[in-house]
Amino acid sequence: GQQLNQSPQSMFIQEGEDVSMNCTSSSIFNTWLWYKQDPGEGPVLLIALYKAGELTSNGRLTAQFGITRKDSFLNISASIPSDVGIYFCAGPANSGGSNYKLTFGKGTLLTVNP
Amino acid sequence: EPEVTQTPSHQVTQMGQEVILRCVPISNHLYFYWYRQILGQKVEFLVSFYNNEISEKSEIFDDQFSVERPDGSNFTLKIRSTKLEDSAMYFCASRPGPLGDTQYFGPGTRLTVL
Repeated sequence: GQQLNQSPQSMFIQEGEDVSMNCTSSSIFNTWLWYKQDPGEGPVLLIALYKAGELTSNGRLTAQFGITRKDSFLNISASIPSDVGIYFCAGPANSGGSNYKLTFGKGTLLTVNP
Repeated sequence: EPEVTQTPSHQVTQMGQEVILRCVPISNHLYFYWYRQILGQKVEFLVSFYNNEISEKSEIFDDQFSVERPDGSNFTLKIRSTKLEDSAMYFCASRPGPLGDTQYFGPGTRLTVL
């Protein structure tokens, strides 16, 4: 099946630093979604990308849909302690029809040191 | 802002017992999903549901699992005879309609099988 590879697996940064993480796939995705998960909570949608080359911002977060449609990155600027959590990329698996079941990456664990 | 809700937040059960996990998707959404996340691992697709029937299910979703939309608002996941390896977070998600891949997740139910 389709696989999403996220890197890095974990990051430990100082408050105020910028962060970049990415997600790659061996197959094309038509949509890229970035979610954040806090401990014991469900994934919360941060940014949705629908077009190759699209660059979208949500506050301090910026994400881009790679032009090859096989990758995406998420940047967080001026990190703060509440940015701590696991960041997942996800995309609809190519299963045909309109089910759009999501395939998730393994996540990037972000730790921010105050 | 509308959100997906799930009950209970935590369910502890004995191996072999039946459990029912409940979800209330966002009210005007048409597509419904269950995912699970074993501790420390990525989120995995279980089943998708549309127009009162299962549209796709994964290999994990064997005969012990069933889903139902008993009325206009609830969406349930039943595990008929729980196994130790069913212990995980179970997330419900919903999507508005045929166009657009964005899924919105509930906070999850933590299932612990003893």
